[in-house]
Amino acid sequence: SSELTQDPAVSVALGQTVTITCQGDSLSRSYVTWYQQRPGQAPLLVIYGKNSRPSGIPDRFSGSDSGNTASLTITGTQAEDEAAYYCSFRDRGDNRVVLGGGTQLTIL
Amino acid sequence: QVQLQESGPGLVKPSQTLALMCTVSGDSISSEPRDSWGWVRQPAGKGLEWIGHITPSGSVNYNPSLKNRVTISIDTSKNQFALILTSVTAADTAVYYCARDRYLGLSTRRGYYYGMDVWGQGTTVSVSS
Repeated sequence: SSELTQDPAVSVALGQTVTITCQGDSLSRSYVTWYQQRPGQAPLLVIYGKNSRPSGIPDRFSGSDSGNTASLTITGTQAEDEAAYYCSFRDRGDNRVVLGGGTQLTIL
Repeated sequence: QVQLQESGPGLVKPSQTLALMCTVSGDSISSEPRDSWGWVRQPAGKGLEWIGHITPSGSVNYNPSLKNRVTISIDTSKNQFALILTSVTAADTAVYYCARDRYLGLSTRRGYYYGMDVWGQGTTVSVSS
């Protein structure tokens, strides 16, 4: 299966560290890309490749993976990090893009 | 910098065809052959759904769940790419985004990797009679 599974919702206290996970059978063979989407805005690429950030993305965002689970970690969360986060990968077999269902992060 | 702008009707009748255009500015749509140009949609209050993408050479890939109804085309001379979705129903009501799916690198173990690094602002399409 090429589906990606994310927890629907996660919460964290302001300033603490949170990890958002993404599970999928194909993840051991592909890198996961992470997107942030704030309400009313288009998604924003935050992590790609092994653990790379586009220009302008704070270094409190980091990515990792182990086996069939990829993780996005936000260290020292800020209020502006409250958003939905989506994982994604490009299927190496048919070249399609697979998106996870998204995780809504709430900052307490 | 590269910018994308969606355009098209905001209201489509059931069973008819949805047609959207994405205009690319700030760079040539053909500048990187390994990039793809794609469409993603999002029903109100729900998650993102990938629709499909096309390379500058015209190679396409579609979401299997939409494959029978969707066509994506590209006009490199106009720096535009388009989405056609036929036989629409209320379930196709969503915000539609166009995006550049950028080639970002190659890993010997994980293969090519990409990321949608530039997005349009999104356009709302409602399907209703």
